[in-house]
Amino acid sequence: KAGVTQTPRYLIKTRGQQVTLSCSPISGHRSVSWYQQTPGQGLQFLFEYFSETQRNKGNFPGRFSGRQFSNSRSEMNVSTLELGDSALYLCASSPPTGGNTEAFFGQGTRLTVV
Amino acid sequence: QQQVKQSPQSLIVQKGGISIINCAYENTAFDYFPWYQQFPGKGPALLIAIRPDVSEKKEGRFTISFNKSAKQFSLHIMDSQPGDSATYFCAARTGGYQKVTFGTGTKLQVIP
Repeated sequence: KAGVTQTPRYLIKTRGQQVTLSCSPISGHRSVSWYQQTPGQGLQFLFEYFSETQRNKGNFPGRFSGRQFSNSRSEMNVSTLELGDSALYLCASSPPTGGNTEAFFGQGTRLTVV
Repeated sequence: QQQVKQSPQSLIVQKGGISIINCAYENTAFDYFPWYQQFPGKGPALLIAIRPDVSEKKEGRFTISFNKSAKQFSLHIMDSQPGDSATYFCAARTGGYQKVTFGTGTKLQVIP
């Protein structure tokens, strides 16, 4: 069974540009969540999507947005990039059952803003 | 701010020794406490998890101890091996949602 796939793996962007990251969850999973990982702030929750609806949102500015498609694939967009947005962006998917279900993480997209 | 505090930041353990990582939380609404293991270049992977109605859970060489009254939990790695060298994150979650609050991480190095 294929794992969570994130594309691209590496990305270099210039300050002020925008970027879109993609996440394909494990087949059958309907929940997709996004995290930002940096050395200084650690792993921080960005948002979660379930059945194309944003179910939870972290404390990030409006420049960070996402969406989920009917096939559960998700995209994350960051507009007007800042140097501080350089990070590893991780996507995780979870099976449709509720309760204490495991989140399976992808390998992440390493974004560098120059 | 919902926080999970984790210590130590780094840990060096001799092969065969016991690695202990501690975490504390504030939000009593948390009801699921997973531990994740992350190797360089990889995403975090679930290692073991516990619910607050259980005081201890053991899976192989990994044990979680949970103290609900103190709002603390810890990971014990018995017979630590060089292959266990990784960064470990404790975490906490509320309900069935996937909004996970992570600790700051512990970089474990197991030396031969």
